[in-house]
Amino acid sequence: QVQLQESGPGLVKPSETLSLTCTVSGASISGYYWSWLRQPPGEGLQWVAYIHSSGSTKYNPSLKSRVSISVDTSKNLFSLRLNSVTAADTAVYYCARQTNWNYEWDYWGQGALVTVSS
Amino acid sequence: DIQMTQSPSSLSASVGDRVTITCRASQSISTFLNWYQQKPGKAPRLLIYGTSSLQTWVPSRFSGSGSETDFTLTISGLQPEDFATYYCQQSYTTPPTFGQGTKLEIK
Repeated sequence: QVQLQESGPGLVKPSETLSLTCTVSGASISGYYWSWLRQPPGEGLQWVAYIHSSGSTKYNPSLKSRVSISVDTSKNLFSLRLNSVTAADTAVYYCARQTNWNYEWDYWGQGALVTVSS
Repeated sequence: DIQMTQSPSSLSASVGDRVTITCRASQSISTFLNWYQQKPGKAPRLLIYGTSSLQTWVPSRFSGSGSETDFTLTISGLQPEDFATYYCQQSYTTPPTFGQGTKLEIK
């Protein structure tokens, strides 16, 4: 049973950097693509970025200048950093496994609410 | 970005009803269309991929169809556990994009 668990601060100040980690259990991170998605409260879903276990990445162009994603295969986890945050970045952030290079997510974490506020 | 538009935004139905949710893409996406089910406070779950292929956990009362720009999700014989919000999502190109969601409520 593949399980994903997001972790990180739930409150970030405006202009600072949001950092989240997704720890994968029940399966190896190797050989798969792993994504971050987010959902502002009461709103729809937005894909943020993905990384393959090899380190190749792809970002949403609307966020590309502020986002970075990394992977640590030795610890079976991957991470997200989003800098210069504003209130518009307040959302539940989900990590998820992609079935392949195509954008289909079959396993998801429970989500982590990150609020941007001073 | 490809815009995905779902209709209706909300829908009231009764247990046993047959319901259809539509999703329209702003340009052709072939059959690269997925559906997700989300319940309050939970992560979305992949329901249907590639327009019509059901995930292993999905009962056969769910079905999907369509191609190019117009797609449908049909639930035949609503069950209490089906009341949720449904999102369509295109996986044709980067960035993948979602519809705004259809909230299916009990009448």
